[in-house]
Amino acid sequence: RKEVEQDPGPFNVPEGATVAFNCTYSNSASQSFFWYRQDCRKEPKLLMSVYSSGNEDGRFTAQLNRASQYISLLIRDSKLSDSATYLCVVNEYSTLTFGKGTMLLVSP
Amino acid sequence: DADVTQTPRNRITKTGKRIMLECSQTKGHDRMYWYRQDPGLGLRLIYYSFDVKDINKGEISDGYSVSRQAQAKFSLSLESAIPNQTALYFCATSPTRDSTGELFFGEGSRLTVL
Repeated sequence: RKEVEQDPGPFNVPEGATVAFNCTYSNSASQSFFWYRQDCRKEPKLLMSVYSSGNEDGRFTAQLNRASQYISLLIRDSKLSDSATYLCVVNEYSTLTFGKGTMLLVSP
Repeated sequence: DADVTQTPRNRITKTGKRIMLECSQTKGHDRMYWYRQDPGLGLRLIYYSFDVKDINKGEISDGYSVSRQAQAKFSLSLESAIPNQTALYFCATSPTRDSTGELFFGEGSRLTVL
């Protein structure tokens, strides 16, 4: 099975903290990479794509290291509303493989 | 109204019963997918379809079948449900043949097999 591995957490952080998640993938031929967010009992939604050059969207920064086959997500200035499960996703030959997710709990 | 609609949203059934989960979309997307999600196992692909005449097995297709009746509809069937098929099932769509990774999910169908 194609593997996408994540630390399941939970990561418990206070509001305002910076938190980072990593993800590793096994298939070196993987073509594109993403982070999805899933709230409890809800459907997953795309958070951001991950590019080789790194990309930033507000408080969120995603990076890709193809040589080491890992992807990272950095969240700065955590908000209560950031509490969710973050799914690392890899596109391999036109289908997406999801990691099991990392749970983030942001407390007041 | 949701762009990707799943019915039923919740279903409790007994072992051996035939179950159909339906998915319809108003996004006009070619590609449709069925995933199941289990605690600790993440989302796993069951079947996918790139157009009306195209059906492909995913990672865990055994015990399931699908039908792509029209571009907008993709149904998942369990011919004889068993308890380990208890899970949260998601339908998803994507817009292009060369998917860049954004899937649009329905709200999920929670199935319990007793």
